[in-house]
Amino acid sequence: QQQVKQSPQSLIVQKGGISIINCAYENTAFDYFPWYQQFPGKGPALLIAIRPDVSEKKEGRFTISFNKSAKQFSLHIMDSQPGDSATYFCAAQRQKLTFGTGTRLTIIP
Amino acid sequence: DTEVTQTPKHLVMGMTNKKSLKCEQHMGHRAMYWYKQKAKKPPELMFVYSYEKLSINESVPSRFSPECPNSSLLNLHLHALQPEDSALYLCASSQILGAQGSYGYTFGSGTRLTVV
Repeated sequence: QQQVKQSPQSLIVQKGGISIINCAYENTAFDYFPWYQQFPGKGPALLIAIRPDVSEKKEGRFTISFNKSAKQFSLHIMDSQPGDSATYFCAAQRQKLTFGTGTRLTIIP
Repeated sequence: DTEVTQTPKHLVMGMTNKKSLKCEQHMGHRAMYWYKQKAKKPPELMFVYSYEKLSINESVPSRFSPECPNSSLLNLHLHALQPEDSALYLCASSQILGAQGSYGYTFGSGTRLTVV
């Protein structure tokens, strides 16, 4: 059973643009929502995370928006750069970490 | 040291071979994990160790055998694998925050396993 749904599957954004990836979850017991960035041949790296008592968290160019009532959260990458090209996984956690299906982001010049 | 180190980086093994994957961390994390990741898919949890004790086994076939010799090391012993077991095997670790659980996983770069 897929408990965290992620969209889009792939995304192409021009350099300098805003990249937006969306996730939705079902289990209201989840209490931690991280985003992971994965480059080819590497393991996932924790990018930014949020807890459900906060509606937004910003770290540099990366922002998580969290809507508890809708059970949705999203990642915004401002001023997207070619170096941001990677696969992004949202996740939700309560004891165990449950990953979304992933979004392959490509930033074009 | 904020890394999880996995060896080897690549491994090719036959279906009758026995091999081991190794994982090491020196961050003082007391939870360690094995994940399997197929191409273009998210990581799938295989095993969880808490304080060197196996706490979760996600119904993984017995041809995969985990071992946690101490708080810094995690092994995955492989025997009689099938071609469909070819994947990226990831190790991760995290702090255990009491009843709150474990958060902020640190992943290694993985071992790319090919079974022939």
